[in-house]
Amino acid sequence: AQSVAQPEDQVNVAEGNPLTVKCTYSVSGNPYLFWYVQYPNRGLQFLLKYITGDNLVKGSYGFEAEFNKSQTSFHLKKPSALVSDSALYFCAVRPYNTNAGKSTFGDGTTLTVKP
Amino acid sequence: DAGVTQSPTHLIKTRGQQVTLRCSPKSGHDTVSWYQQALGQGPQFIFQYYEEEERQRGNFPDRFSGHQFPNYSSELNVNALLLGDSALYLCASSTPGQGGDTQYFGPGTRLTVL
Repeated sequence: AQSVAQPEDQVNVAEGNPLTVKCTYSVSGNPYLFWYVQYPNRGLQFLLKYITGDNLVKGSYGFEAEFNKSQTSFHLKKPSALVSDSALYFCAVRPYNTNAGKSTFGDGTTLTVKP
Repeated sequence: DAGVTQSPTHLIKTRGQQVTLRCSPKSGHDTVSWYQQALGQGPQFIFQYYEEEERQRGNFPDRFSGHQFPNYSSELNVNALLLGDSALYLCASSTPGQGGDTQYFGPGTRLTVL
């Protein structure tokens, strides 16, 4: 069975500082990995995905994520946080070459960026 | 280009009742998946529809059923509602045929069961 762990329920950073939201996964074979963001009373918005190729993936709003196969991690990063980045972030995984319905989501990390 | 839309936004029901939620996929998408997001948790996969058939199903009881129409829109039906069914129900659309197809989510329907 596949799983996702987001070890931090909450991450607090100051505006302008770099941010990292952690994600580790377990899946049979190679993974597809995704990050989504959810604002209050809204659905999930796609940020970025890792399918294959470069381990560093760039996505929307200046976010990037680094795939580390040996550590089974896919941490979300941003060099300079904005107050508007404050939201709930979800990591998701599914086995390589399976369709979207096989996705497993983590329980989310609340990011708070303070001015 | 309209994204994924869901209706209604909010719904309040009592135990034992039945509910129907609706979803229209993003333009060009033919696959619809439904998720249940309980408070403080990530989305849990309910089932997926493609070509008007249920293609995959998560670990949800038969009280949860669905339908997909020829225009790719979809309904989620829940019978005999329980208090534990209170959650945000998310619809996501995608299109297969390419590696790593991305799901795009609607704003959700907040269901409260009293």
